[in-house]
Amino acid sequence: AQRVTQPEKLLSVFKGAPVELKCNYSYSGSPELFWYVQYSRQRLQLLLRHISRESIKGFTADLNKGETSFHLKKPFAQEEDSAMYYCAPNTGFQKLVFGTGTRLLVSP
Amino acid sequence: NAGVTQTPKFRILKIGQSMTLQCAQDMNHNYMYWYRQDPGMGLKLIYYSVGAGITDKGEVPNGYNVSRSTTEDFPLRLELAAPSQTSVYFCASSYGGTDLSSGNTIYFGEGSWLTVV
Repeated sequence: AQRVTQPEKLLSVFKGAPVELKCNYSYSGSPELFWYVQYSRQRLQLLLRHISRESIKGFTADLNKGETSFHLKKPFAQEEDSAMYYCAPNTGFQKLVFGTGTRLLVSP
Repeated sequence: NAGVTQTPKFRILKIGQSMTLQCAQDMNHNYMYWYRQDPGMGLKLIYYSVGAGITDKGEVPNGYNVSRSTTEDFPLRLELAAPSQTSVYFCASSYGGTDLSSGNTIYFGEGSWLTVV
């Protein structure tokens, strides 16, 4: 079964520090992965998807098939980045199960 | 497009009562989902549907029921509400399928805050 794992429940950093939110997947085939973000009291929204190889709000994520990882990175965290981040696979999988999420807290 | 619309936004239920959370999408999406998010926790899949007339259980289906009579609507019913069902409920939809060019982004509703006392 397809599964994504986010090992960190909480990640706390200071403003300006680098950030890496970890996501590992464990299924065969050609994975397509997404990162979703939920800011305080807002609905979840797409942050980025690996297939487009884009950088959104300074975040990037590279699919590493060798390590089966899709970590989300940002070189300099900002306070407004504080949010809940979810890793998720392609919705071609009918039973879409998100990772457990990582809460990022950026302190001034 | 309104996207994914959920009602009600807030509700307080007494133990043993029943209610239905409504969810509608106007994007002609095939796949629809219900998740719950407990305070400080991640999303857990309750039920999902890959098309009208087809539903299946997610990770935490006990105490809930769903139906999908149309492509647009995917109501979630709570029978005999219990305090453990106090949570925020999110409905979501996506095009589905394996066509990567479509993006397959998941669109979420704003959430329904439910308290069972």
